[in-house]
Amino acid sequence: GIQVEQSPPDLILQEGANSTLRCNFSDSVNNLQWFHQNPWGQLINLFYIPSGTKQNGRLSATTVATERYSLLYISSSQTTDSGVYFCAVVPSGTYKYIFGTGTRLKVLA
Amino acid sequence: DGGITQSPKYLFRKEGQNVTLSCEQNLNHDAMYWYRQDPGQGLRLIYYSQIVNDFQKGDIAEGYSVSREKKESFPLTVTSAQKNPTAFYLCASSILAGRETQYFGPGTRLLVL
Repeated sequence: GIQVEQSPPDLILQEGANSTLRCNFSDSVNNLQWFHQNPWGQLINLFYIPSGTKQNGRLSATTVATERYSLLYISSSQTTDSGVYFCAVVPSGTYKYIFGTGTRLKVLA
Repeated sequence: DGGITQSPKYLFRKEGQNVTLSCEQNLNHDAMYWYRQDPGQGLRLIYYSQIVNDFQKGDIAEGYSVSREKKESFPLTVTSAQKNPTAFYLCASSILAGRETQYFGPGTRLLVL
């Protein structure tokens, strides 16, 4: 089955720093989403981005489906950005979401 | 407000007991999903439903059962056959299965006594 790998697995930043999170997938996909899981466990939608580039405030994402990767950019990080970031893909020909391994981000004040 | 609700927030199970986790959505979504998350891990798909009266197994369906009798509701039963049920359970929905944005409920933490 498809493999979804995220890097780095852990990231510690000082408040105000920028970062790039990566999601690599091993086969073609129809759908890709980025989520933020807060310390209480709630998963929050960041982007639905099967291809192209989107921006929402300090966050932006780019998916290059032909090269099988997606990037999530966080600029001017804040302590509230801490948590775990997941990408999730739907392999072509299926209806099931497969979650990546996650990136655990800690932003220090 | 539209959204997904899960209850209870915490659930305790005794050995040999079946327990049912509730998931309700008022988003008018056709597709619903159940995931399991173990500490420090990602999410794994248990079951999903594309439409009322239909559901399919995910990657870790053994020891679990579901029903989809109403569009709004997708309850998950953790049976006594699930030998290691302690985990965080998340329910989600989307307009269509595998398409568009998936939205999540707040989750239920299940602990075995």
